[in-house]
Amino acid sequence: DSGVTQTPKHLITATGQRVTLRCSPRSGDLSVYWYQQSLDQGLQFLIHYYNGEERAKGNILERFSAQQFPDLHSELNLSSLELGDSALYFCASSVKDSPGQFFGPGTRLTVL
Amino acid sequence: GQNIDQPTEMTATEGAIVQINCTYQTSGFNGLFWYQQHAGEAPTFLSYNVLDGLEEKGRFSSFLSRSKGYSYLLLKELQMKDSASYLCARGNYGQNFVFGPGTRLSVLP
Repeated sequence: DSGVTQTPKHLITATGQRVTLRCSPRSGDLSVYWYQQSLDQGLQFLIHYYNGEERAKGNILERFSAQQFPDLHSELNLSSLELGDSALYFCASSVKDSPGQFFGPGTRLTVL
Repeated sequence: GQNIDQPTEMTATEGAIVQINCTYQTSGFNGLFWYQQHAGEAPTFLSYNVLDGLEEKGRFSSFLSRSKGYSYLLLKELQMKDSASYLCARGNYGQNFVFGPGTRLSVLP
């Protein structure tokens, strides 16, 4: 158990819908990262927040957005969902000056 | 994944030693990291290198050569539970990582 929690574990929805994925980092970690992992691709970095502020953006679609709240939990919002958005979505957290990122168990999103 | 290459699949026998290579084309990062990921599960942090050379952690060791753009993960005394994907990633502390495509290792009895 990495100490990072994600909800829900599974999510099944239809094309065109909107969903929100939630992540709580390890106690004391200020950074939260979101990654997408689909069957034919590796882990793709989406976005990074540090202490409530956006730090870096990766291959994140305009239909996707995220935020980090004062209690440091983060939410990833996916809208106008398409079949190709079906994937595992992981969040990870880290301490600023420490190596390694610690991953949550992921949310498996299925878009039908 | 952004100029990081790894072999797609490898097979090895229980009890053996296997070396999983990772090559990259970008400089200017703090560390080279290795993660293990079982199918459908979260990646778990195994090892990292900041300086050139070998870092040993029990059955796992990782090596880095920045001048050659090359790293490897060495797994000794392979066990069946080591069957998993192994991801290398380059990154800086407190910043996002760029992951390689992963190597799927199958350990056979």
